[in-house]
Amino acid sequence: DAGVIQSPRHEVTEMGQEVTLRCKPISGHNSLFWYRQTMMRGLELLIYFNNNVPIDDSGMPEDRFSAKMPNASFSTLKIQPSEPRDSAVYFCASSGRTGSYEQYFGPGTRLTVT
Amino acid sequence: DQQVKQNSPSLSVQEGRISILNCDYTNSMFDYFLWYKKYPAEGPTFLISISSIKDKNEDGRFTVFLNKSAKHLSLHIVPSQPGDSAVYFCAATSQGGSEKLVFGKGTKLTVNP
Repeated sequence: DAGVIQSPRHEVTEMGQEVTLRCKPISGHNSLFWYRQTMMRGLELLIYFNNNVPIDDSGMPEDRFSAKMPNASFSTLKIQPSEPRDSAVYFCASSGRTGSYEQYFGPGTRLTVT
Repeated sequence: DQQVKQNSPSLSVQEGRISILNCDYTNSMFDYFLWYKKYPAEGPTFLISISSIKDKNEDGRFTVFLNKSAKHLSLHIVPSQPGDSAVYFCAATSQGGSEKLVFGKGTKLTVNP
């Protein structure tokens, strides 16, 4: 079975450019999570969806960040405009088994903003 | 304010010995805890979990202990193997609440041959 798929794996962009990160959750999972990992803050939740609906976006740092989940098999995290402090590894995770809190993570996208 | 704390950034042990990774939490609403393992350039993978109705859960070489009164949990790996070298994250959530997991910052375990 395919796990969570993220693309691209690496992204290098210049400050001010738009960045779009993509995620395909595990088929059948109904919750999707976007995390950001930095040395300073560790692994922090940005936003999560349940049945394609955003449930909690309190972790989104500012209006430059937006996320969508147009259907059960695809989600995007967009940063516009990007800034050097957005450099981090961004993970997508999904979960779906009732009563289970296990989340399955993708391999991450390493974003570098110069 | 960190609700889940892993105070040891790193730990080094000899192959075959026990590895003990610690985690403290401050939110008394947390009642379900998970450990994840992360290799470089990969996403975290689920390892073992424990509900607050238990004080111990075991899976092969991995055992998690929960001390609710101290708001402390630990992961024991016995015997440790070089392949266990990774970053270990502790996570917590409140059952019946949202699905959000709150993660610690991780402990890097190195198992020396």
